[in-house]
Amino acid sequence: ETGVTQTPRHLVMGMTNKKSLKCEQHLGHNAMYWYKQSAKKPLELMFVYSLEERVENNSVPSRFSPECPNSSHLFLHLHTLQPEDSALYLCASSPREALGEQFFGPGTRLTVL
Amino acid sequence: AQSVAQPEDQVNVAEGNPLTVKCTYSVSGNPYLFWYVQYPNRGLQFLLKYITGDNLVKGSYGFEAEFNKSQTSFHLKKPSALVSDSALYFCAVRDDLGGSQGNLIFGKGTKLSVKP
Repeated sequence: ETGVTQTPRHLVMGMTNKKSLKCEQHLGHNAMYWYKQSAKKPLELMFVYSLEERVENNSVPSRFSPECPNSSHLFLHLHTLQPEDSALYLCASSPREALGEQFFGPGTRLTVL
Repeated sequence: AQSVAQPEDQVNVAEGNPLTVKCTYSVSGNPYLFWYVQYPNRGLQFLLKYITGDNLVKGSYGFEAEFNKSQTSFHLKKPSALVSDSALYFCAVRDDLGGSQGNLIFGKGTKLSVKP
């Protein structure tokens, strides 16, 4: 256990559905991250939050909407996704933005039909 | 721009033999280097890091990595491989210049397969 939990672990959704991924960290960290992991591709950084403020958005489509209500929780709201969005979505945290190693959650395996 | 290269998609070794997983990097400033391991259906687990100091870094599960500045490499090594080491290994780098360059850049991963 890394101290970072993600729910749900698996999600199947249609292209017209709206769903949310949740991440929670119990490490007292101030920075949290969303990554997308697709087969045979490097991890793609999607969003970075530091002290609950978004500091990085790597040109992610607007159908992905992050929310960070406090330093322990991070959400990724999903709507009108495409089949190519099917991937493993990983959440991570670190003591501060761009400082120290990142601790990863187990991921949510998302399948878009 | 920062980048990380893991030239091998897969590395196969026999149990008990030494293993090496290769990583080269490119950064503008000084590199901070990391190795992570991912077991099936799990997130990434931190193995070890190089920030400064001794070029040989020791980490979890008997793994070590050597920082070579002239070759811009940070290869992961283990003297004697175990079947349980079979997993996906990621090298990552970040710059010490701060800002968005401080975010981790990951390689595409190398699948390690250790056979009995």
